[in-house]
Amino acid sequence: GAGVSQTPSNKVTEKGKYVELRCDPISGHTALYWYRQSLGQGPEFLIYFQGTGAADDSGLPNDRFFAVRPEGSVSTLKIQRTERGDSAVYLCASSLGAQGHEQFFGPGTRLTVL
Amino acid sequence: QQQVKQSPQSLIVQKGGISIINCAYENTAFDYFPWYQQFPGKGPALLIAIRPDVSEKKEGRFTISFNKSAKQFSLHIMDSQPGDSATYFCAAYNFNKFYFGSGTKLNVKP
Repeated sequence: GAGVSQTPSNKVTEKGKYVELRCDPISGHTALYWYRQSLGQGPEFLIYFQGTGAADDSGLPNDRFFAVRPEGSVSTLKIQRTERGDSAVYLCASSLGAQGHEQFFGPGTRLTVL
Repeated sequence: QQQVKQSPQSLIVQKGGISIINCAYENTAFDYFPWYQQFPGKGPALLIAIRPDVSEKKEGRFTISFNKSAKQFSLHIMDSQPGDSATYFCAAYNFNKFYFGSGTKLNVKP
């Protein structure tokens, strides 16, 4: 595809469950970012990958959140023991490289924790 | 602590008018300042961006004004159109991390 894709587009889960959110970046983009966007707010940085490694994970709120990018392309954001406060839109963005400032965002995954 | 402060929260403009959105920051290490446009159900899309060594950048109807000494920058949308109705976010970049403002919901009345 031409753009960043994210699946699923919507995810409803129960408190305490485990969820995985997937991001397919633009082909050839080595940098990948995850953000969380709460209602009425701007995106909030979670984690940044350069290639396969997490170059900066300082935005992950706690150890229930984890992300991987094993082959330097697709990334998965994993949330354990979900809480109602985790409900938000999770956005993924990719860019050409570490200094590739133009980020291209996916449409996001809306997570609802009941 | 919010790194980038954005105002107003919402804005109503008549078609053909000028929309102005303002942002302020504290960290002088920021070296790139983009503006994003977001429609409901979509991810943000880059609109225009500026670096701190330039005071103004214009692309079509969109202009960024940048005041380095005041640590402020603004987006001007000239000849605003109903299709511009969206939420706009300013952002600032440093060390591989973007900090976003809280957004401005723009409504352009026909």
